[in-house]
Amino acid sequence: EVQLVESGGGLVKPGGSLRLSCAASGFTFSDYSMNWVRQAPGKGLEWVSSIDTTSNTYTYYAESVKGRFTISRDNAKNSLYLQMNSLRAEDTAVYFCARDYWNDVEIGYWGQGTLVTVSS
Amino acid sequence: QSALTQPASVSGSPGQSITISCTGTSSDVGGYNYVSWYQQHPGKAPKLMIYDVSNRPSGVSSRFSGSKSGNTASLTISGLQAEDEATYYCSSYTSSTTTPKVFGGGTKLTVL
Repeated sequence: EVQLVESGGGLVKPGGSLRLSCAASGFTFSDYSMNWVRQAPGKGLEWVSSIDTTSNTYTYYAESVKGRFTISRDNAKNSLYLQMNSLRAEDTAVYFCARDYWNDVEIGYWGQGTLVTVSS
Repeated sequence: QSALTQPASVSGSPGQSITISCTGTSSDVGGYNYVSWYQQHPGKAPKLMIYDVSNRPSGVSSRFSGSKSGNTASLTISGLQAEDEATYYCSSYTSSTTTPKVFGGGTKLTVL
């Protein structure tokens, strides 16, 4: 069974930093591209970032986070990360770790999410 | 990359059928057969219901079906049940070299 467990969320002041982690199990982690998707309170889903299988070679970011967030993975530890710097109030959201489906194009599996609150 | 366009809400009575639309452009929905649909109940993680426009993952009810015409994809739920009440999101692969995925704004389905 695919399991994705996020951690690292919490309360941070504007301008601060936070690192999210996602522990994966139940599948061969190195075989799949991974993603971060966020959902602001009461709002819809927003794709944030994706990383391909080849250890950080190809990374992609939404315009809203480009230059501030960095996605990475450690295939030896079956883990995905999101380093978030220069945080803003509008970054407040539940952040979901998500695995691509077998076709490596669409998201197929989701974690339960971790809440990040940016507030003074 | 702009979000895909979905109606904010739809409703239907138990047993009826409803359809949710998802409109994009030739750079996303219209250009690729990589449209997926997700169901999200309040406080829960999204769940994949449809992938590759019209395919259902194992375990998803056959009451859920997907289709596409031009730049608009659709999700149809037949034989509505109370547990179908949720928010539904579409998503598509895009031609952008920097932002490969985009979501719709979500549609709240109310079962009357």
